[in-house]
Formats: sequence, structure tokens, C-alpha cells
Amino acid sequence: SSELTQDPAVSVALGQTVRITCQGDSLRSYYASWYQQKPGQAPVLVIYGKNNRPSGIPDRFSGSSSGNTASLTITGAQAEDEADYYCNSRDSSGNLNVVFGGGTKLTVL
Amino acid sequence: EVQLVESGGGLVQPGGSLRLSCSASGFTFSSYAMHWVRQAPGKGLEYVSAISSNGGSTYYADSVKGRFTISRDNSKNTLYLQMSSLRAEDTAVYYCVKQGTAMVITGSDFDYWGQGTLVTVSS
Repeated sequence: SSELTQDPAVSVALGQTVRITCQGDSLRSYYASWYQQKPGQAPVLVIYGKNNRPSGIPDRFSGSSSGNTASLTITGAQAEDEADYYCNSRDSSGNLNVVFGGGTKLTVL
Repeated sequence: EVQLVESGGGLVQPGGSLRLSCSASGFTFSSYAMHWVRQAPGKGLEYVSAISSNGGSTYYADSVKGRFTISRDNSKNTLYLQMSSLRAEDTAVYYCVKQGTAMVITGSDFDYWGQGTLVTVSS
């Protein structure tokens, strides 16, 4: 399957921990990348590979994977973390079939 | 500083054509696969196309295969997307995207994104 499934919306209290998940068969073979997108802005890569953060991404962002599920965890969510989050990977069939999840709207309460 | 600047978007009638350009700077353009990703108004991200670092390999999403052509000019540090037979459902912001991993197309770890250019297909 080449689909990635995300919960449409998740909320978290300020300073608490939140996990955003992404499910898909391709995640058994490939790591997910995670992107943060704020209104009117281009997406920003926050996690890639096993659990890698690009330069400038706070260490409260972390990634993990188990079976067909990838997770993005924000430990101590801040108001500025309110955004849409997308996962991305490629199909496991051997063809380059790149897919994005439908996105999760994170609200920080 | 890595910069990706798209241009060429605009209003086009159904069935028409448009060519998008992406001017890249701040990195060795010829060493990285490049991609196009689009986002319809109020919708999520949709993958469009990829090209290898030397232009020898290309990939297209099924939704644009046969209608869009990706290319690059490494001497000009520029990525292109030629779009033809445009449909209303092609209306979106089109992002030029750099891949973090050099050389091969990975289809993920998109580490830099342009600000996007809006393509509107309407009569």
C-alpha cells in the first residue's frame, strides 16, 4: 500500500507531551520524515531518518517507529508548535512512489 | 544560505500550459535530486515529481504522468516543471524542494522548500 494515515487533529496542553502518529505499510521498510507547516508558510523538515533533527529544530521534537507506525513526539509543547504536521515516505514496492500523510492539525491549548 | 525561488505561476485556462522555474542557490545544485510538491488551497501536500542530480532519472505521480515534465539545467542551477493539459484539479501552490540526501532520489528528507508559486487553472 502507498497510503499514509494520520489523525486529522490532535490537541495538547501547553508544556505537555503529544504524540502524532502516521500509519502505513511502507513504514515497515522506510523511515518517515516529518514536516511542520504554519499558515501561509512553506513546510519545514523537523525529523528524518531514524530520529534525526535538522539544524535549528528544537530537541523537544523526536521521532520513533514501530512496525507500520511512525510517531512524532513533542515533549513540552510550546505555543509556537501549533501547526499542521505531515509525514512522508516512499512506497515499499520498489518503485519510487512518494506519499504524504493527510496531515495532523496540532492545537496547543 | 540555501535559497529556492519559484516563478512562473499564474492563471491559465483548462487545457493550457505553463512552465514553472526554480532558481537554486547556496548549495551544490548538481549534487542533489530535486522535487516538486504541490498543495491545493486548504488541502494537504501532494507529491508531484522528482529528478535525479544529473537529470538522468525522473519520476511522476500518476496524477500528472504524461502531462507534466520535470527537467533541470545544472549550469544555471535551475529546476523546471513543464505543465500541459492543465485541469482545474491542478490548481495549487507548487513548491520546489531540495532533498537532504545527495545524488540518489530517496523520496523523503526534503530539507529545503521554496515559498511556492500559485497555479490557478480556471476559465
